[in-house]
Parts: sequence; structure tokens; C-alpha cells
Amino acid sequence: DVKVTQSSRYLVKRTGEKVFLECVQDMDHENMFWYRQDPGLGLRLIYFSYDVKMKEKGDIPEGYSVSREKKERFSLILESASTNQTSMYLCASSSPGGAYEQYFGPGTRLTVT
Amino acid sequence: GQQLNQSPQSMFIQEGEDVSMNCTSSSIFNTWLWYKQEPGEGPVLLIALYKAGELTSNGRLTAQFGITRKDSFLNISASIPSDVGIYFCAGQQMNFGNEKLTFGTGTRLTIIP
Repeated sequence: DVKVTQSSRYLVKRTGEKVFLECVQDMDHENMFWYRQDPGLGLRLIYFSYDVKMKEKGDIPEGYSVSREKKERFSLILESASTNQTSMYLCASSSPGGAYEQYFGPGTRLTVT
Repeated sequence: GQQLNQSPQSMFIQEGEDVSMNCTSSSIFNTWLWYKQEPGEGPVLLIALYKAGELTSNGRLTAQFGITRKDSFLNISASIPSDVGIYFCAGQQMNFGNEKLTFGTGTRLTIIP
């Protein structure tokens, strides 16, 4: 079974703090994704990565950056957290070419106060 | 970014009833996926569809890839309490090398005791 894990289920941070969200997958998938999920807005893609050290902007990259130093790990960074970044953050991974099936982690509920 | 239209937005049904929901788009997709998300958790993949007209089952769940490639349907037979959650469709468009998915707005299923 594919397993995607996220470092924290719940996080509370203060405005202006630098926040790291970590995601690890154990299926040797090339593709990894970061989404945020908000009521009424659905799943929105922040960044994705096709390979180590490779990243591409999704639909809402502003205020975020990512890092992929190892194939199994994809980190989302909030450089200076703001209250409008309070959200559920979901990581996903998939194999390239053909299947397109994305497997999600359990999510991190981030609150910025 | 684009979202797929899912209907209904919410359903209130009694245990034992059958459920039907659908997902439509103005664009053609070459893969349709159905996910279920329970409160506080990440989406879990239920069914994947790869060919127009394909009908695939997973236990009491049956999904179909529409002939026009612009829609998909999910049916749940004889609903039980653990079916409660939000069901999302997701599609992958016919762009070579495009690993991104477009997600539906979700159908929230509630079972009335």
C-alpha cells in the first residue's frame, strides 16, 4: 500500500513565523504535490515536483516555497506565516505517465494566530 | 484554477438507500478518479477510470467514465453509516506530460439514522 505521511496533524503558529511542513512517501513516486483545502474553495494546488530539486508553481504559490532534496521528501515552507494561510494542507504523490492516481497524506491543520 | 462541477453538493439519505452523484466538465478528460474524505483526514482513492464507457466496481461502489469523456458518475449501493464523508471526483486532461489533476467541488454525504 502507498503510504504518504505528514510531519504534523495539527500546528499552531504565530504571524510572521517561518513554518515547515514535511511530507514523506514510501512508494518511490517521482511526483509530489502540495495542496491547501478551504471550505467552499476545494483543493487548490500550491506547488508540485516531478523530480528531486525540481519544482513548479501551481495555482496559488504566493507566500509559499518548496524544497525537494530527496525523492521521498517534499517540504512546504511558509516564509512568513499570515492568518490567511490558516488552512488544511495536503500532500500527495503519484507515479509519472499513465496512471495519474494521486495518493494523499492525512493532512496538516495549520492555524496561524 | 478550474474545478469540476459535482452534484449534488450534499445528500441526506437513510441507511440502506442507494446514492448517485456525478461530475461534469466542459473539457475532455482521459482519466477520472473518485476519492472519499472523512473529517480531519486526507482523501482516499476509491476508484480509477481510464477508458470512455468504462464501468468499474469496488465493493458497493460503482463508477463510470462517461462516453463523451466530459463526465463521470459514482453510485453507492445499500449505504451504511461508514459511507459518511465528502466524495470528490478528479480528472486528468488530455495534455501529454500533464500530471496535474483537476478536482471537483465535492458531494457531502450524510446518513440519517
